[in-house]
Amino acid sequence: RKEVEQDPGPFNVPEGATVAFNCTYSNSASQSFFWYRQDCRKEPKLLMSVYSSGNEDGRFTAQLNRASQYISLLIRDSKLSDSATYLCVVRNRDDKIIFGKGTRLHILP
Amino acid sequence: EAGVTQFPSHSVIEKGQTVTLRCDPISGHDNLYWYRRVMGKEIKFLLHFVKESKQDESGMPNNRFLAERTGGTYSTLKVQPAELEDSGVYFCASSQDLRASDTQYFGPGTRLTVL
Repeated sequence: RKEVEQDPGPFNVPEGATVAFNCTYSNSASQSFFWYRQDCRKEPKLLMSVYSSGNEDGRFTAQLNRASQYISLLIRDSKLSDSATYLCVVRNRDDKIIFGKGTRLHILP
Repeated sequence: EAGVTQFPSHSVIEKGQTVTLRCDPISGHDNLYWYRRVMGKEIKFLLHFVKESKQDESGMPNNRFLAERTGGTYSTLKVQPAELEDSGVYFCASSQDLRASDTQYFGPGTRLTVL
């Protein structure tokens, strides 16, 4: 079983819709969680950190469920510019950083 | 403020040759990381420098890979001799602190193709 698993998608979503995807992690001692965004042939860029209490940044909401070992990302009122691959990233207590393979999102006009 | 830069952006070499990749982190960032993404797979950690010291090199695939960070500024990753399976995108990232929540900033990557 992979340490960090994501649905690869693609998720094809009409502009303006709400989309959500999850990421599960296997190491219960994982310490920090992040969502990164990666555009085609570009480097990953931090979208948001994920805090235990959940956090929101504009149209984006991240949640952490430690009991079930998953994190989620919700995008409201999706824009064409949201089309990208979203990478789930987990940092363990030994500072190891583990990436998921990413979920591809296509926002359709 | 300049971001993380990597050189070259692309490299095409033949099996058995040597290639050296360079990463310049954000100025003042003590932490420097190397990652690799092989086609169809997830980004994988290779190693982590704190200043000039190797903090963790558990992700280095084998002894054909050598990373250095002399003086604690830029870093190089040398592959010698290169094999076909070394093809992929090599990312470098840097961060300021070692706090678990600290953001890592990624460079644009070097796309390596071994023929």
